[in-house]
Amino acid sequence: GENVEQHPSTLSVQEGDSAVIKCTYSDSASNYFPWYKQELGKGPQLIIDIRSNVGEKKDQRIAVTLNKTAKHFSLHITETQPEDSAVYFCAAIEGGYSSASKIIFGSGTRLSIRP
Amino acid sequence: NAGVTQTPKFRVLKTGQSMTLLCAQDMNHEYMYWYRQDPGMGLRLIHYSVGEGTTAKGEVPDGYNVSRLKKQNFLLGLESAAPSQTSVYFCASRQPSTDTQYFGPGTRLTVL
Repeated sequence: GENVEQHPSTLSVQEGDSAVIKCTYSDSASNYFPWYKQELGKGPQLIIDIRSNVGEKKDQRIAVTLNKTAKHFSLHITETQPEDSAVYFCAAIEGGYSSASKIIFGSGTRLSIRP
Repeated sequence: NAGVTQTPKFRVLKTGQSMTLLCAQDMNHEYMYWYRQDPGMGLRLIHYSVGEGTTAKGEVPDGYNVSRLKKQNFLLGLESAAPSQTSVYFCASRQPSTDTQYFGPGTRLTVL
């Protein structure tokens, strides 16, 4: 089955700097890759996603890149702000995005923004 | 819309006790999921349902049972709780036509 590895587990950046979180996946059949943000005491919330027919997607200060050949995808946050502090999870859909079953999550990255 | 709600928010059990966690969604979603979240391990799928009356096993189903008697509700049961089931449990739902899963706020369960 699918396996998703996420690095780093913790990340501290100065406010205004950029943050990058990287993930790798194992199943070449996976074709949908969401990123979730989890704030303290809350459930994960989707912040951006990418499909395997796209190499990059941007939404304001957030961007995601995908390298299908290397089975890598990354989250980029620019001009970080205090409200970006949270735990971020990458994920891959096993069996394609139409599958009802399994989203496989990475282990999470705790991002802290230093004032 | 309340979205996805979970009951209770916190619970402490003794080993061997049983309990049921309730997930409810008001978005008329077909698919519903139960995950557990442990430190350093992300979220792992316990069971899921693709519609009323259907359930299926996920990644870590042992020790749990589920039921989907009504479309809007997905119940997670622990028949005989064990300390290894201490975790935060999240419910999620989505429509088949989209990929976005909507998560509830979680239930923190401690088994002593």
